[in-house]
Amino acid sequence: SQKIEQNSEALNIQEGKTATLTCNYTNYSPAYLQWYRQDPGRGPVFLLLIRENEKEKRKERLKVTFDTTLKQSLFHITASQPADSATYLCALGLIFSGGYNKLIFGAGTRLAVHP
Amino acid sequence: EAGVVQSPRYKIIEKKQPVAFWCNPISGHNTLYWYLQNLGQGPELLIRYENEEAVDDSQLPKDRFSAERLKGVDSTLKIQPAELGDSAVYLCASSFGQGMDETQYFGPGTRLLVL
Repeated sequence: SQKIEQNSEALNIQEGKTATLTCNYTNYSPAYLQWYRQDPGRGPVFLLLIRENEKEKRKERLKVTFDTTLKQSLFHITASQPADSATYLCALGLIFSGGYNKLIFGAGTRLAVHP
Repeated sequence: EAGVVQSPRYKIIEKKQPVAFWCNPISGHNTLYWYLQNLGQGPELLIRYENEEAVDDSQLPKDRFSAERLKGVDSTLKIQPAELGDSAVYLCASSFGQGMDETQYFGPGTRLLVL
């Protein structure tokens, strides 16, 4: 069956450390992958996109890797801050015939950064 | 620039009652999405519009759910009759197009509780 797995347990880290979140998938062949941030009571906010032919993408303190052999994406936040505390969602981007794109979201990982 | 607007933010109804949610996308965005998000889960696509045309409603339970996007701008999602299992957050999102590089912008969602 098709699955997207993100760390189900909350990730607790100390301020200043690097947070690493994992997104594993099975029986999907995504053309791209996106990461979103979601705060309580709010909708998801887009952070980064990485294509299947890209190994790594960076944006400020954020870094995403995409390994289509391992079927895994890693999301890193360096020099983490308490303001980074949120739920982070990965979303697989599927492209169907006719060029139709669709996002399939994982359940998300809750990150808590402690001072 | 105003973001995606949704109303109401919260709704409590008794089962078997009808309910409607409204979404105003970002100005100029042709693509509009309705997602369902259960607690602890990622968003799941219910329906996607390209202008006023519903181009993917495969996940919409058509026996009780309906949606419309008259004039290709605002959209309404309706449930009639609501069931206990419909309690969730209903998210609306919009994007300029629907390609890989088109960022989806989410509204804050409508939290529905069916008693």
